[in-house]
Amino acid sequence: RKEVEQDPGPFNVPEGATVAFNCTYSNSASQSFFWYRQDCRKEPKLLMSVYSSGNEDGRFTAQLNRASQYISLLIRDSKLSDSATYLCVVKLSSNTGKLIFGQGTTLQVKP
Amino acid sequence: DGGITQSPKYLFRKEGQNVTLSCEQNLNHDAMYWYRQDPGQGLRLIYYSQIVNDFQKGDIAEGYSVSREKKESFPLTVTSAQKNPTAFYLCASSSRTATNEKLFFGSGTQLSVL
Repeated sequence: RKEVEQDPGPFNVPEGATVAFNCTYSNSASQSFFWYRQDCRKEPKLLMSVYSSGNEDGRFTAQLNRASQYISLLIRDSKLSDSATYLCVVKLSSNTGKLIFGQGTTLQVKP
Repeated sequence: DGGITQSPKYLFRKEGQNVTLSCEQNLNHDAMYWYRQDPGQGLRLIYYSQIVNDFQKGDIAEGYSVSREKKESFPLTVTSAQKNPTAFYLCASSSRTATNEKLFFGSGTQLSVL
């Protein structure tokens, strides 16, 4: 089983749609969680950290479910510019410093 | 401006040749990382370093080597032992002490085999 798993998609949605991605992780000792966005052949950039209580940044909402070991990203009112690959990232512990990336979920927003 | 710089942007390797990818940061970060990305795949960790003169193997270290002689620099050598080196290589750094520290990435190096 992969340490961090994502549905690769692609998710094809119309502009204005709401779309949600899930990411599961296998190590229950994982401490920190992030969503990164990557455009084609570019470096990933931090979209948002994921906090235990859930957090929102504009049209983006991230949630963490420790009991079921998954995190989610919800995008409301999708824009064409949201088209990208969304990477789930898990940090195992503060001491190891090791971050594990999921395969990524590709989103295509259509006019 | 503070940031992380990778060079070159494109690199070609001949059979049996070692090549070195450069990664420099001026963010005063302790931790640095090298990832490999294949088409349609996620990032896989090659090596990481949490402090100068120390580094650890990641999940796919075979055929690669690194050094961390200076805080700012973390070069990656792709040796001839790496039989399938064609990939997009990403270097990153982070502040080791922060709990929810973000990774800062370089713009990547595309390595191809001639």
